[in-house]
Amino acid sequence: ETGVTQSPTHLIKTRGQQVTLRCSSQSGHNTVSWYQQALGQGPQFIFQYYREEENGRGNFPPRFSGLQFPNYSSELNVNALELDDSALYLCASRFSPLAGDHNEQFFGPGTRLTVL
Amino acid sequence: KQEVTQIPAALSVPEGENLVLNCSFTDSAIYNLQWFRQDPGKGLTSLLLIQSSQREQTSGRLNASLDKSSGRSTLYIAASQPGDSATYLCAVRRGANNLFFGTGTRLTVIP
Repeated sequence: ETGVTQSPTHLIKTRGQQVTLRCSSQSGHNTVSWYQQALGQGPQFIFQYYREEENGRGNFPPRFSGLQFPNYSSELNVNALELDDSALYLCASRFSPLAGDHNEQFFGPGTRLTVL
Repeated sequence: KQEVTQIPAALSVPEGENLVLNCSFTDSAIYNLQWFRQDPGKGLTSLLLIQSSQREQTSGRLNASLDKSSGRSTLYIAASQPGDSATYLCAVRRGANNLFFGTGTRLTVIP
C-alpha cells in the first residue's frame, strides 16, 4: 500500500511568482486536505477537497487555490507569492464515507517552499 | 474557535525514563484527537487516534488518554529511547473538515 506522496520535495521561488504543489493520496482515500506549517508552529488548515470540490477552507486568501482530480490526487496553487508563504506544505488524505467520517488522517512528507 | 495548547514546549529526559506529554483544547465538541510525531523537516507520522467516545488507546510503548469533558489528552511514552527524539503534535478534529494543531512538544532522549 502506497502512502501519501508529495512533489517536489523542495522549491525556491521569488516574490510575486506562482507555484504548484502536488499530492497523491493514499490508496483508497477520497479526501485530501492541505496544511501550511511555518517554522516552529503547528500546521494550519488551508482547505479540503472531497469528490473534486472544495468543501472546507481555513483563513487563507483566495490566491491559495486547489484542485482534486478523478483519481483523488490534488494540487495546491499559490499566486503572487509573498515572503511569509515560506513554509512546509503538508498534504493529508483519508477515506470519507457518505456519513459519519471520523477516520484517521495520514500525512505526506511535505514540500518545503522558500520565497526569496 | 478551537485552541490547542501543548505543555511543555520542550522536554529532555535520560534514556529509559517514562514520560508524559500534555495537550489541552478549549472546545470539547470534538470528533476525535490524533497524536503525531514529526522529525525535523519531515512530514507527520500518525501515532494514535482516539475517538470522542473512547478514553484511551495503546500502541506498543505509547498510551494516549482523552478526557473530553475537561479538554485534555496525555501521551505516555514508556521506557524512552533515543529514537523517540522528535516533536510530538496533538490535533483535534471538530466537524467534517480540518484538524486543529498544537505547537508541539520537542522531546530529546539522552543516551
